[in-house]
Amino acid sequence: QSALTQPASVSGSPGQSITISCTGTSSDVGYNYVSWYQQHPGKAPKLMIYEVINRPSGVSIRFSGSKSGNTASLTISRLQPEDEADYYCSSYTSDTWVFGGGTKLTVL
Amino acid sequence: EVQLVQSGAEIMKPGESLRISCKVSGDSFISYWISWVRQMPGKGLEWMGRIDPSDSYTTYSPSFEGHVTISADKSVNTAYLQWNSLKASDTALYYCARHPVHCTTTTCYYSNWFDSWGQGTRVSVSS
Repeated sequence: QSALTQPASVSGSPGQSITISCTGTSSDVGYNYVSWYQQHPGKAPKLMIYEVINRPSGVSIRFSGSKSGNTASLTISRLQPEDEADYYCSSYTSDTWVFGGGTKLTVL
Repeated sequence: EVQLVQSGAEIMKPGESLRISCKVSGDSFISYWISWVRQMPGKGLEWMGRIDPSDSYTTYSPSFEGHVTISADKSVNTAYLQWNSLKASDTALYYCARHPVHCTTTTCYYSNWFDSWGQGTRVSVSS
């Protein structure tokens, strides 16, 4: 099972919006089992979005998820300096999971 | 509040065996699955495998099957990741993560996401 495809890096200025894409196949991202994780340096990952669009309790409403075909997306609106981190998508299929390669978000 | 607490860092030699642990507190141990995730230095996350502690049923990524063993002990609310013969390429940070049971208005199921993570166990393998 191949890793999902994410851009290596994205950047934005405070107050702007950015979108991170996550491309897979009909066998993984094609299902609604995509989740997103935020990882700050030296920290464990944190769940931000599950099942494509759902936000866990405590996660800012500035984070939202969507999907079109075999590409899922994470959008962060009104960027803040603390959003600077690595972001990973993950997909579940046939009792296995696969992660994307990760995207480094820089807040300029 | 659910907490996943992992064992401490390990410095090992190639060929040695190792078992690291992940102790879960704050919830019933058998009401979720536990996965293990590898992060090599400066690299991304890789799913290794998962276990259902209620019956110890496991599934593995093809990339890791045969090289590691995942197990669990319900009596002490702990999951384990084990190697019989370490390689230098096993040098990495290893996380455990929980898949909770999720209930909608109509059904409950083991979640396909990782909602809580351990702090990570750093394993260094060098001769």
